[in-house]
Amino acid sequence: DQQVKQNSPSLSVQEGRISILNCDYTNSMFDYFLWYKKYPAEGPTFLISISSIKDKNEDGRFTVFLNKSAKHLSLHIVPSQPGDSAVYFCAATNNNDMRFGAGTRLTVKP
Amino acid sequence: DAGVIQSPRHEVTEMGQEVTLRCKPISGHNSLFWYRQTMMRGLELLIYFNNNVPIDDSGMPEDRFSAKMPNASFSTLKIQPSEPRDSAVYFCASSFRTGRLAQYFGPGTRLTVL
Repeated sequence: DQQVKQNSPSLSVQEGRISILNCDYTNSMFDYFLWYKKYPAEGPTFLISISSIKDKNEDGRFTVFLNKSAKHLSLHIVPSQPGDSAVYFCAATNNNDMRFGAGTRLTVKP
Repeated sequence: DAGVIQSPRHEVTEMGQEVTLRCKPISGHNSLFWYRQTMMRGLELLIYFNNNVPIDDSGMPEDRFSAKMPNASFSTLKIQPSEPRDSAVYFCASSFRTGRLAQYFGPGTRLTVL
C-alpha cells in the first residue's frame, strides 16, 4: 500500500517563478516529514524536513508546509532556478520506518 | 567522511544468476536501509536494520531476496535467483537513528537482469 503519494509525476516551471510540489499521506501516525532531492545517477539527498508539531519550516528558497488535518504537505521553491531541476521525493516517518512517495520530476526552464 | 559507499555501481547479469549488492554505511550511523527504485513504484523500502539487527523486512518482495548486516560497517543485499523484473536501482542509506533524522543515501547500484 502506498502510504505516501505524490500524484504529480512531473512539473515544469519558468525560472524565477514558484515551484509547488505536493504530497499526501494516509497514516496519521507519521509525525516527521522530509523532502529529498535526486539528480540523475546520484542517490537522494536530504533537502528539508518538518515535525508534525509545526505547520511551516523555511530554509532559504525552500519552504515546507504541513496540513495535518488534510494529511497534506507541500514544498515551495521560490524563486526556482534551473539547478533545481531534479526528482523530488516526499517521505514520512513515525520513528519506526520511513516511507517515500514515487517522486515528482521538476524541470525549471531558463 | 566518504559518505555511504555502494558497490558495484552497475551490475548486468543473466536471469537465474545470483547477485550481491554491497553497502558500507557512514561511520557512527546505527541504522541502515535498503531501497529499490523503479519507474513504476518509485522508491520502495525493502528492509532496514537498527544496530545490525533487521527490524522490518516486510518490503522484501519475495524469498529470492535476502539481506544481512554482519557488522556495523557492512551490509549485503542478495538476490538468488535473479529475474528480469528485479532490474532497478538499489539504494542503501544510513542514519544515526531509525527514521527520525535524515537518511544519507549512497549513489545506488543499477542492476540489469537480462
